[in-house]
Amino acid sequence: TQLLEQSPQFLSIQEGENLTVYCNSSSVFSSLQWYRQEPGEGPVLLVTVVTGGEVKKLKRLTFQFGDARKDSSLHITAAQPGDTGLYLCAGAGSGGGADGLTFGKGTHLIIQP
Amino acid sequence: GAVVSQHPSRVICKSGTSVKIECRSLDFQATTMFWYRQFPKQSLMLMATSNEGSKATYEQGVEKDKFLINHASLTLSTLTVTSAHPEDSSFYICSATWGRGSPLHFGNGTRLTVT
Repeated sequence: TQLLEQSPQFLSIQEGENLTVYCNSSSVFSSLQWYRQEPGEGPVLLVTVVTGGEVKKLKRLTFQFGDARKDSSLHITAAQPGDTGLYLCAGAGSGGGADGLTFGKGTHLIIQP
Repeated sequence: GAVVSQHPSRVICKSGTSVKIECRSLDFQATTMFWYRQFPKQSLMLMATSNEGSKATYEQGVEKDKFLINHASLTLSTLTVTSAHPEDSSFYICSATWGRGSPLHFGNGTRLTVT
């Protein structure tokens, strides 16, 4: 069974600060996805990383996939209150997305104005 | 982008009744759909995987007779919670994908409250 350890579980910071969320596993994933979920809604895909060492940027969000494809990080620069939400990492096994994803437990992020 | 519609968004039912939740992919053919349950402030818990035209594969601990899943077409999967009890109250979310390696697209979830 593939497991994804996501940390921190909860994070509350002031607007303008930087933060990093980590997603670690002992398993290799064919791809890793990051989602953001707001209360009462379904998760929304932010990014998919596929290649070891890959870095993707989405405005103030920077996603990195580890060289060995076992871990990933999400870095937010100058956090805004609108970044508040539940961030989920999810890894796809060798079968890819159609075999289902392994989800981390999520990071509850609160950005205080 | 790909859109998945989930209906209803909220439902309140009495204990002992059954509730059906629909998950539709609006602009793509979903070969596989997934059903999750989510408790407050927790991550998604996969309940079952549904492939079009075949029986759903349930995760360990999920009662297949209680949570009936039907994926009759490439754009529709349904989850029926049978003989619902208050402990079934939860947030249920579906997701859909069009193929291996493709990302998941989620519905907006259904808040089920059983009284």
